[in-house]
Amino acid sequence: QAVLTQPSSLSASPGASASLTCTLRSGINVGTYMIYWYQHKPGSPPHFLLRYKSDSDKQQGSGVPSRFSGSKDASANAGILLISGLQSEDEADYYCMIWYSSAWVFGGGTKLTVL
Amino acid sequence: EVQLVESGGGLVQPGGSLRLSCAASGFTFSSYEMNWVRQAPGKGLEWVSYISSGGSSTYYADSVKGRFTFSRDNAKNSLALQMNSLRGEDTAVYYCVREGHGDLFDYWGQGTLVTVSS
Repeated sequence: QAVLTQPSSLSASPGASASLTCTLRSGINVGTYMIYWYQHKPGSPPHFLLRYKSDSDKQQGSGVPSRFSGSKDASANAGILLISGLQSEDEADYYCMIWYSSAWVFGGGTKLTVL
Repeated sequence: EVQLVESGGGLVQPGGSLRLSCAASGFTFSSYEMNWVRQAPGKGLEWVSYISSGGSSTYYADSVKGRFTFSRDNAKNSLALQMNSLRGEDTAVYYCVREGHGDLFDYWGQGTLVTVSS
């Protein structure tokens, strides 16, 4: 089982909100980890969005709009990237990442379609 | 302006070797940890390797451990990834990435394509 699991795809309408999940493998407690989120559009390098550990320990990327926010669902052992007020330009691949066992680990990525 | 420019990618046969380079500019290179991240065609991002700011500490993904070596020259603001015993599954775009304050990957190069094929 992968360390980080993300749904492969998600669709949402312009103006709506999208909740992208990043589920940690059983036995890896989400509360312990800082979760990093990246956006990747074709033809460009990935772009740091934000990192989130708790409401008191988080950081927004430079120039990243506040409609991108992070949270956790402890009951689901998952990190969440919430994108509100979806825009067509938000269509991209989104990756979560943690530092685990002396290695950076990416989730498999979620392809977000805005239609 | 921070710039990371990769070079050295290309076509190599299985079992062969290749050396990637990354030239850094626009920041105090010796103060930053650096990483390589790759993306195989049609696949997601995969972290490859990390190096500490002074170069004394390195980490590798299990998939490349023992085959790849990550090094840096702080006097020349440069990084190198020596890749040996290359396999088809190493085919990917390789990105040079700065690890900024807060351990986040804040600057990425444009990437260099490595193709392992006979």
